[in-house]
This record gives sequence, C-alpha cells and structure tokens, in this order.
Amino acid sequence: EAGVAQSPRYKIIEKRQSVAFWCNPISGHATLYWYQQILGQGPKLLIQFQNNGVVDDSQLPKDRFSAERLKGVDSTLKIQPAKLEDSAVYLCASSLGATTNEKLFFGSGTQLSVL
Amino acid sequence: DAKTTQPNSMESNEEEPVHLPCNHSTISGTDYIHWYRQLPSQGPEYVIHGLTSNVNNRMASLAIAEDRKSSTLILHRATLRDAAVYYCILRDVKPAGGSYIPTFGRGTSLIVHP
Repeated sequence: EAGVAQSPRYKIIEKRQSVAFWCNPISGHATLYWYQQILGQGPKLLIQFQNNGVVDDSQLPKDRFSAERLKGVDSTLKIQPAKLEDSAVYLCASSLGATTNEKLFFGSGTQLSVL
Repeated sequence: DAKTTQPNSMESNEEEPVHLPCNHSTISGTDYIHWYRQLPSQGPEYVIHGLTSNVNNRMASLAIAEDRKSSTLILHRATLRDAAVYYCILRDVKPAGGSYIPTFGRGTSLIVHP
C-alpha cells in the first residue's frame, strides 16, 4: 500500500517569497491534516480537512497561509509571503475518518528554510 | 481540551524493557489513547492505541490505568532503532462537532544506549 506522498522534500526560499507544498494522501482516506513542526517541538496542527471541507483551521495564520483540498483527494498548502519564523517541517497526514479511534499516517514532510 | 503530560526524556540500555509514562487526567470516556513515535528526519508513525483494556501488537504494549488517567507504553526489548521521540495523544475536541483533532505535545525523547 502506498503511503502519504509529499513534495518537495526540501525547500529554501528568502523571506517575503511564496512557497507551496503538495500532499497526496493514502487512497480512500477522507481526512487530511497539515502540521507544522518547528525544531525541537511536537507537530502543531494547522488545518484538518474532511473530504474537501475544513474541519478545523483555528491555528492556521490565515493572513499568509492557505490550504485547499480540491476534489477531496490531494492537497496544497501555500505560504505567501514567508517569514523567517515559518522555517519548519511541514507534515501531511491522512486517516480513514475523523473519529477518535482512527490511526494517522504521516508523510516524510517538507523541510522549509526561510532565509 | 484533553491534555497529556510526558517526561521530556528517558534513557534505556539496549535489550532492556522500557516503560514510557503518560498522564491524561482530563481524559473523557470516549477518548482513545494513541501513541506515535518519530524517528529522526521522518514523520511520526503509529505505534499503538487503546480505550480501556491493555493492548499488545508487534511493536509494543499499552497498559492503561483502571481510572484511565494515565497509561504506559512498554517496549519489551529496546533496540537502537527504538531511539525516537514518543508522543502520547488524545482527542482535542472541536466544540461544535466533536471531531477528533489529534494534538501533539513535546513527547518523550528516548535514548537507547548500546
């Protein structure tokens, strides 16, 4: 079974530039999550989708971050414009559903460096 | 919010058992307790989860206290490949819909000595 695919693996940009990350979840998984993980910290949820609808985006900095999941399958996360503090690993995860019993499956992440 | 408390780090010797504790005193009756681990430069991976009874799988065992306010992840024989950050997580309830929003803390960094 294919896992969660993310690209690119690494990205280096200068501040105020824009960047986009792509995620393809496991086939059939209705729930998709984007997490931000700053070095030395646990992952922080940015946004959770159920199919193509947003379940929670309370921690997404909406002035600069946006995410979409068209057709309820793959998803993109965009940052525009990037700030130095956005340097982090961006993790995508998926699960069959959104109940408390569901297991999450994570991709390898995109490591973003903002200079 | 259901919150968890874990030690920042723990150490073990190779081939010895490891008991990783987690406190979750505000757990609700329907919350499952999940454990994930994150190896260096990788995304977190699922380890085990349970509701009330102790659980076993090929990776680990999960011992859940009778009052469910704490749990312990047990690695029966630690190997160097088990060196990772271990996260104990519960549902963070979305007020309007009760959806399961997995919230990670800082986890426990497990160091395994040869």
